[in-house]
Amino acid sequence: DSGVTQTPKHLITATGQRVTLRCSPRSGDLSVYWYQQSLDQGLQFLIQYYNGEERAKGNILERFSAQQFPDLHSELNLSSLELGDSALYFCASSVGASETYEQYFGPGTRLTVT
Amino acid sequence: TQLLEQSPQFLSIQEGENLTVYCNSSSVFSSLQWYRQEPGEGPVLLVTVVTGGEVKKLKRLTFQFGDARKDSSLHITAAQPGDTGLYLCAGGGKKTDSWGKFQFGAGTQVVVTP
Repeated sequence: DSGVTQTPKHLITATGQRVTLRCSPRSGDLSVYWYQQSLDQGLQFLIQYYNGEERAKGNILERFSAQQFPDLHSELNLSSLELGDSALYFCASSVGASETYEQYFGPGTRLTVT
Repeated sequence: TQLLEQSPQFLSIQEGENLTVYCNSSSVFSSLQWYRQEPGEGPVLLVTVVTGGEVKKLKRLTFQFGDARKDSSLHITAAQPGDTGLYLCAGGGKKTDSWGKFQFGAGTQVVVTP
């Protein structure tokens, strides 16, 4: 158990819909990262927040948005869902903002878009 | 396009054999991390290397970061079935890039049979 929690574990929804994925970082961690993992694209970095502020952006679509709240939990919002958005979505957390800090991954949310 | 190329993509060996997995890039990374991921779970960090030429050992696992900080290798001695998993390398933000921006390789699937 990494200490990072993600809900829900599984999500099945239809194209065009909007969903919200939630992540609670390990106690004491200020950074939260979101990743998407699909069979054809591998693990793709989406976005990082540090202490409530956006820190770095990766391959995140405009239909996707995220935020980190004062209690440090984070939410990833996916809208106008397409079949290709079906993937595992992972959240990770670390103590600091630098990439040299260890990232601890949550168990993931499996999103299926039908 | 993967910035980090991992090879081989798949490796199946017998218990007790040795194996080496490679992670190569044309980019320079300020740090490199190795993870192991099991089906349906998040990646688990094995090691972080930050200095060119650095060698780290973790029991039967030996990690090396190339002198130019563009490549890395993971060597497992006397592999055991518990070593089975997807091994991922991740390159920390390039010197000219923002912190926290990780690039993951596609992974090497290792299967160790008894």
